Amino acid sequence: GAGVSQSPRYKVTKRGQDVALRCDPISGHVSLYWYRQALGQGPEFLTYFNYEAQQDKSGLPNDRFSAERPEGSISTLTIQRTEQRDSAMYRCASSLAKSANSPLHFGNGTRLTVT
Amino acid sequence: SQQGEEDPQALSIQEGENATMNCSYKTSINNLQWYRQNSGRGLVHLILIRSNEREKHSGRLRVTLDTSKKSSSLLITASRAADTASYFCATALNYGGATNKLIFGTGTLLAVQP
Repeated sequence: GAGVSQSPRYKVTKRGQDVALRCDPISGHVSLYWYRQALGQGPEFLTYFNYEAQQDKSGLPNDRFSAERPEGSISTLTIQRTEQRDSAMYRCASSLAKSANSPLHFGNGTRLTVT
Repeated sequence: SQQGEEDPQALSIQEGENATMNCSYKTSINNLQWYRQNSGRGLVHLILIRSNEREKHSGRLRVTLDTSKKSSSLLITASRAADTASYFCATALNYGGATNKLIFGTGTLLAVQP
């Protein structure tokens, strides 16, 4: 079956613009995670959902970052008024069980570059 | 913030040798997972070990977990050039019995020389 799909694969935006990153999880997966990964580093937790409920958003760096998963399937990570320091690979993952009780399946990521 | 730290940060071995990577973490966990990432591409799940388990095998992989020392190790036996990748441990934090977010460590970069 289809894996986790993220779009766009690459996004270049000017500083100050808003961006929306989309994640389409594996069908039937309950939990959905967002991570940010800098080159040579491990994925940094941002937020996660069980169904449509945002369970933990403690990793969101500041209030310019927000995420939603309104129908418990597709999720959008929005960054308002982008800054150069927001440039990174943003990765989404979904999992069959709630929270982290089963393996995460990752998408290929969205590479965000803020100029 | 990172919960786990892998050791060593980088490891270079010859094909056929065994590779051992260690992971230490700080807080109570529900389970610990290992992932592989090839050249900055997507992360692939390797193995999950629960807090009440001490050892788990999957093919050429062996994972141990010592919750008293808050540490885990990943052993890859008879390594191949294709095993060259970054390996991350990830801990599912346990808050009052409820599993929470999955936090990744800093990673070990493994290079297997043919």
